[in-house]
Amino acid sequence: GQNIDQPTEMTATEGAIVQINCTYQTSGFNGLFWYQQHAGEAPTFLSYNVLDGLEEKGRFSSFLSRSKGYSYLLLKELQMKDSASYLCAVRPHNAGNMLTFGGGTRLMVKP
Amino acid sequence: NAGVTQTPKFRILKIGQSMTLQCAQDMNHNYMYWYRQDPGMGLKLIYYSVGAGITDKGEVPNGYNVSRSTTEDFPLRLELAAPSQTSVYFCASSLDSSTDTQYFGPGTRLTVL
Repeated sequence: GQNIDQPTEMTATEGAIVQINCTYQTSGFNGLFWYQQHAGEAPTFLSYNVLDGLEEKGRFSSFLSRSKGYSYLLLKELQMKDSASYLCAVRPHNAGNMLTFGGGTRLMVKP
Repeated sequence: NAGVTQTPKFRILKIGQSMTLQCAQDMNHNYMYWYRQDPGMGLKLIYYSVGAGITDKGEVPNGYNVSRSTTEDFPLRLELAAPSQTSVYFCASSLDSSTDTQYFGPGTRLTVL
């Protein structure tokens, strides 16, 4: 089966750095995605990791360790607009393009 | 490009009623998906399609049906609505590359009373 765990909620201060963790146990692995979802809106793509290491994209970075079944999303210089849910999703091996999603982490950025 | 569009945005159904949620994409994507998202939860895959005429079950297919007669459209059918189907439904699409991201529609908020 597939199991993806991430914290339910996090709170951080504007201008700070926050790290959102995701651990997974899946029947295979063919990539990990992070999506951002503002309340009442559709998820939008943030990042994709398939090899170990850090992928940086502006204020957002995503890290993957396949041996540990672990990823994190790092958000720097937090802004109020970063308040949203962050969804970790894994593509199990040989599953075509299907994704298995975690429950999401709701991030609240405070002034 | 409009991307992925969904109709309706909101709908209230009575138990036992049926309805079709519409989804269309204009990006010539082969893969299309239907997810449901319950409050405070992640997305669960209902059905997916890898191309016109081909559909398959996801994680939670019971109570739903789909069809894919064209590349652009992927409607989701609820035959006998139940309160457990109260949820937000998202349609998504992607190219057929295994590394491609999924693009989501705006969602349909369905309440079954």
